[in-house]
Amino acid sequence: EVQLVESGGGLVQPGGSLRLSCAASGFTFSSYWMSWVRQAPGKGLEWVANIKQDGSEKYYVDSVKGRFTISRDNAKNSLYLQMNSLRAEDTAVYYCARAGDYVWGPLFFDYWGQGTLVTVSS
Amino acid sequence: EIVLTQSPATLSLSPGERATLSCGASQSVSSSYLAWYQQKPGLAPRLLIYDASSRATGIPDRFSGSGSGTDFTLTISRLEPEDFAVYYCQQYGSSFFTFGGGTKVEIK
Repeated sequence: EVQLVESGGGLVQPGGSLRLSCAASGFTFSSYWMSWVRQAPGKGLEWVANIKQDGSEKYYVDSVKGRFTISRDNAKNSLYLQMNSLRAEDTAVYYCARAGDYVWGPLFFDYWGQGTLVTVSS
Repeated sequence: EIVLTQSPATLSLSPGERATLSCGASQSVSSSYLAWYQQKPGLAPRLLIYDASSRATGIPDRFSGSGSGTDFTLTISRLEPEDFAVYYCQQYGSSFFTFGGGTKVEIK
């Protein structure tokens, strides 16, 4: 059974940092593109970042470029999101999602984690 | 960036009725790389449709997707009580993904 379990969310002050983790199981993690998607309270879904199977390609939404870094450790079956210079508008539930095993690019999200809440507030 | 616009924002229907949800793209979506997701309160989204018209594993056949280019549609042929939720479209035609703003299907 495919499972994605996020952790690392919490309350952080504006300008602070947080590192999210996503533990994957039930599939060959190193064969899949992985992504982060967020959802602000009461709002819609927003794609945040994609990372290729070997970590060699990474893509970000403009609003987080230069502040967030997506990474992965295939030996540990884990996905990460390092978030720096956090702003109030980064407050959201952050989901980890699997984005396909196509070599040429990420695809749709067929599995999602349960999400972890990040609150940026003083 | 491809902007996706979903309409209507809210659809008020009764169980057993047909639901038609639209998703319009600001430019053509490559290879019809468009997906639809269902989200219920407090839960993660669930994949319904990918590649514009392919149903995901375990999705009932009352859900169908159609369209290409810039105009896409999700149809629920007969609404069941568990179908009342928010629906999102998403394009993955480039490595920079975007979602539509969502359509809430509510009980009339």
